[in-house]
Amino acid sequence: DAGVIQSPRHEVTEMGQEVTLRCKPISGHDYLFWYRQTMMRGLELLIYFNNNVPIDDSGMPEDRFSAKMPNASFSTLKIQPSEPRDSAVYFCASSLQVGSEAFFGQGTRLTVV
Amino acid sequence: DAKTTQPNSMESNEEEPVHLPCNHSTISGTDYIHWYRQLPSQGPEYVIHGLTSNVNNRMASLAIAEDRKSSTLILHRATLRDAAVYYCILRAPIYSGAGSYQLTFGKGTKLSVIP
Repeated sequence: DAGVIQSPRHEVTEMGQEVTLRCKPISGHDYLFWYRQTMMRGLELLIYFNNNVPIDDSGMPEDRFSAKMPNASFSTLKIQPSEPRDSAVYFCASSLQVGSEAFFGQGTRLTVV
Repeated sequence: DAKTTQPNSMESNEEEPVHLPCNHSTISGTDYIHWYRQLPSQGPEYVIHGLTSNVNNRMASLAIAEDRKSSTLILHRATLRDAAVYYCILRAPIYSGAGSYQLTFGKGTKLSVIP
């Protein structure tokens, strides 16, 4: 397996624009996690899914953020409208079970200008 | 949530052993101790985890104190590739239902390896 695949690797957008980040988890993994990393706040869990169903979205910062998992092999994290303070590296991770080893993607570096 | 305390940074010479400490004095009896590391410009990667007994794998060893209030990640021979931020994380078991089985990352220890 190629591991967790995220796209794009880098995204630069203007404030107010919609941004969509994509993630393909490892095949067979039932859990998918979205994290955000900034210098100030470190790595924060935004939301996680089990079998394509969102289980805990308490880490999603505000209504501008939304995440979906239409099937077992694809998830999106959308920010609409984007703001400069959303600039961060966004990581997607997947695991076989919620307590087992998590595999992270390479991340998407988002810059909102 | 049980918290962990790690030094902000450590240095090691290449090819020497490294002992990365972690204090977790409020650990509960069922919390697992997990270690992840994050290499520059990469996502975190799993290193090792344990409950009570010391653990070894191809990457590292985990030494857990008898009272479980602290643990030490041991890299037997540091290489330049081991330069990373190392995170010590406590995870409750799945059946806890409290959500604390999630990976909650602290600030970690930044390990520098000197050639």
